[in-house]
Amino acid sequence: GNSVTQMEGPVTLSEEAFLTINCTYTATGYPSLFWYVQYPGEGLQLLLKATKADDKGSNKGFEATYRKETTSFHLEKGSVQVSDSAVYFCALTDYNQGGKLIFGQGTELSVKP
Amino acid sequence: SAVISQKPSRDICQRGTSLTIQCQVDSQVTMMFWYRQQPGQSLTLIATANQGSEATYESGFVIDKFPISRPNLTFSTLTVSNMSPEDSSIYLCSVDGVRGNTDTQYFGPGTRLTVL
Repeated sequence: GNSVTQMEGPVTLSEEAFLTINCTYTATGYPSLFWYVQYPGEGLQLLLKATKADDKGSNKGFEATYRKETTSFHLEKGSVQVSDSAVYFCALTDYNQGGKLIFGQGTELSVKP
Repeated sequence: SAVISQKPSRDICQRGTSLTIQCQVDSQVTMMFWYRQQPGQSLTLIATANQGSEATYESGFVIDKFPISRPNLTFSTLTVSNMSPEDSSIYLCSVDGVRGNTDTQYFGPGTRLTVL
């Protein structure tokens, strides 16, 4: 079945460092890909998405490109802030199962001043 | 996106009791879903709430334990029945089809449940 694999956390960075969180997926067909962010004590917020190969999603300085050839959707940000500290989830839409989301295990990011 | 609210935001319950969680959206949506997030874990889909018909449950989840209602296009409830400490989790509703735009799910703030 479809699945999503993220790099394990926690990831600890200093403020203004470059961020990469790896995400790879296994899927039949052409799923849409998402990054969600969960700040401490809150629900999930949609960060960005891409619906087809070579699409780049971007929001709040974060970017991710849908790479079909490597089945990847890595999240990047050029300069992280303390306020970016959160758990980040990569997910795909499983159209074979009614459009439900399949989530990766989540990557906790901690940014130190 | 949509404004999604959940009630209660958190609760502490006794073993053997039941809790009903409400999810309200500020606009009509096509799909509503219920997820569980166990402590330190990712999200797992419990069921898809279907308007006017029985919910569709994922493997490992049953209607007797997690009855779901969806009386209209903006509201759904999830009941966690006969609770045990293993049910302590965050329960999140999500919606798709906001203003006719499908393929993106938006989440409510979650309900944090602790069972003693």
